[in-house]
Amino acid sequence: EVYLVDSGGGLVQPGGSLRLSCAASGFTFSDYWMTWVRQVPGKGLAWVAHINPDGSEKEFVDSVRGRFAISRDNAKNSLFLQMSRLRADDTAVYYCARGHWWFEAWGQGTLVTVSS
Amino acid sequence: DIVMTQSPDSLAVSLGERATINCKTSQSVLSSSSNKNDLAWYQQKPGQPPKLLIYWASTRESGVPDRFSGSGSGTDFTLTVNSLQAEDVAVYYCQQFYTTPRTFGQGTKVDIK
Repeated sequence: EVYLVDSGGGLVQPGGSLRLSCAASGFTFSDYWMTWVRQVPGKGLAWVAHINPDGSEKEFVDSVRGRFAISRDNAKNSLFLQMSRLRADDTAVYYCARGHWWFEAWGQGTLVTVSS
Repeated sequence: DIVMTQSPDSLAVSLGERATINCKTSQSVLSSSSNKNDLAWYQQKPGQPPKLLIYWASTRESGVPDRFSGSGSGTDFTLTVNSLQAEDVAVYYCQQFYTTPRTFGQGTKVDIK
């Protein structure tokens, strides 16, 4: 069975940094594109970024480009989202998801709160 | 960016009746290379991550009950839940994968009448 476990969220001040992780199991991680999606509590879903299987292709939504970095460690079956210069409007639950067209598996999400 | 507009924002349906959710895209998501519509549907229950229901507008994900069906092409799509069950109470989202950024509809909340 496919498992994705998100971690690394927490409370951070505006302008701060945070690194999210997603641990994958139950499938050959290095074969799949991976994606980060976020959701403001009580609101809708928003695509953040995705990365191809070998990590050579990455795309970001305009609002995070230049502030967020996506990466992966295929040897450790892990996906990462390095977030810097965080703003209040980055506050959300962040989900990792498998795929880059549709998303057939999701982590449980990790809450990032940007507040002073 | 492709704007996704769902209607209605919420609806209440009696148990055993049909729920119909619409999704309109600001431009066609019909891929000329595959001749398939690059649209997916998800179900999200409170406190849970989304669950994939449908991709390519009408292909049901493995394990999804056949009371869920998707239809439409180009810019207009529909998710139909036949014979609504109590466990179908959720928010439903459409999503396009025709281009980046991937974009989602605002969600439609389905309740029991």
